[in-house]
Amino acid sequence: DTGVSQDPRHKITKRGQNVTFRCDPISEHNRLYWYRQTLGQGPEFLTYFQNEAQLEKSRLLSDRFSAERPKGSFSTLEIQRTEQGDSAMYLCASSSTSQGPDTQYFGPGTRLTVL
Amino acid sequence: TQLLEQSPQFLSIQEGENLTVYCNSSSVFSSLQWYRQEPGEGPVLLVTVVTGGEVKKLKRLTFQFGDARKDSSLHITAAQPGDTGLYLCAGAGAGTYKYIFGTGTRLKVLA
Repeated sequence: DTGVSQDPRHKITKRGQNVTFRCDPISEHNRLYWYRQTLGQGPEFLTYFQNEAQLEKSRLLSDRFSAERPKGSFSTLEIQRTEQGDSAMYLCASSSTSQGPDTQYFGPGTRLTVL
Repeated sequence: TQLLEQSPQFLSIQEGENLTVYCNSSSVFSSLQWYRQEPGEGPVLLVTVVTGGEVKKLKRLTFQFGDARKDSSLHITAAQPGDTGLYLCAGAGAGTYKYIFGTGTRLKVLA
């Protein structure tokens, strides 16, 4: 088991550009979560999927943000028309409903810098 | 709105000292997790507590879940420089997987 992986690890973009991040969860984990973390703060929940269904979304997830998990495996998070305030670490986590209490395993994150 | 407040926010101690970090809320959580995070990395799970009053030990770390499942504490005995990091608590209410994270406690253990 290689753990949760995220790609890219770092992304620098100019304001107004679109960016897409990918998350590969631990194999057979049916839940997948996206969080955003700014410097000095704890992670903020963005959304989560159970299999391919997106079950909860935070109000933080504006209409410029969209997440998909088309086949219930990997997920993508897209930010359109990026703004400087989008600069943050984007974290993905996965968990399994078959392993007792829900336990999230996090990936290393994608650090986004919007210039 | 559920909130998790951690205290202290920052802690700098000498190697060998003991410390306690608190995670408090006015809301009830079905489970609560503690993580440690290194700079530039994702949080790493330390423990999950589920039952009110539960105590779990992980080597020199002792975790307790409050009886009412609204608060938790992390106690570290004889801290070592390797314990340095950001400690985060996180919880979700019953019937939801929208996890709320605490504000974090940044611990520095000096050799």
